[in-house]
Amino acid sequence: GDSVTQMEGPVTLSEEAFLTINCTYTATGYPSLFWYVQYPGEGLQLLLKATKADDKGSNKGFEATYRKETTSFHLEKGSVQVSDSAVYFCALASMDSNYQLIWGAGTKLIIKP
Amino acid sequence: DTGVSQDPRHKITKRGQNVTFRCDPISEHNRLYWYRQTLGQGPEFLTYFQNEAQLEKSRLLSDRFSAERPKGSFSTLEIQRTEQGDSAMYLCASSFSGGNNQPQHFGDGTRLSIL
Repeated sequence: GDSVTQMEGPVTLSEEAFLTINCTYTATGYPSLFWYVQYPGEGLQLLLKATKADDKGSNKGFEATYRKETTSFHLEKGSVQVSDSAVYFCALASMDSNYQLIWGAGTKLIIKP
Repeated sequence: DTGVSQDPRHKITKRGQNVTFRCDPISEHNRLYWYRQTLGQGPEFLTYFQNEAQLEKSRLLSDRFSAERPKGSFSTLEIQRTEQGDSAMYLCASSFSGGNNQPQHFGDGTRLSIL
């Protein structure tokens, strides 16, 4: 079945550092890919999405490119801030999953001033 | 657009009691989902509705759990005879139907604590 694998956390960076959180997936067909962010004590917020190969999703300085050849959707940001500290989830939805979101385990990001 | 609203935000109850949570989705959305999330884990799918029809339930969902969406708008999730293992964050999400590119929008969740 479909699955999503994320790099384990926590990831600890200094403010203004470059961020990469790796995400790879296994799916038949052509899934849509999503990154969600969860701040402490809050629900999940959609950060960005991409619905077909080579699409780039972007929001709030974060970017991720749908790479079908490597089945990846890595999250990047050029200069992180303390306020980016949160848990980041990669997810996919496909016809095979009946459009249910299949989630990665989440990666906790800690940004130190 | 007021977003997805969940009530209550926190619920503390004794083991064996029944609890009910409410979710108000984004008004234009016809799909509504319930998830459970425990600390340090990703969300676990429980069930979803398209309009008032409950289309899928997780095989892991105990028969103590029941959900309704009587008029295709708000939904309730009831847990009967609560157990310690039910302690978790219960998340509701809504979306448009129509393919896998429709993102789900989440509420802030209801945190359930079983004493």
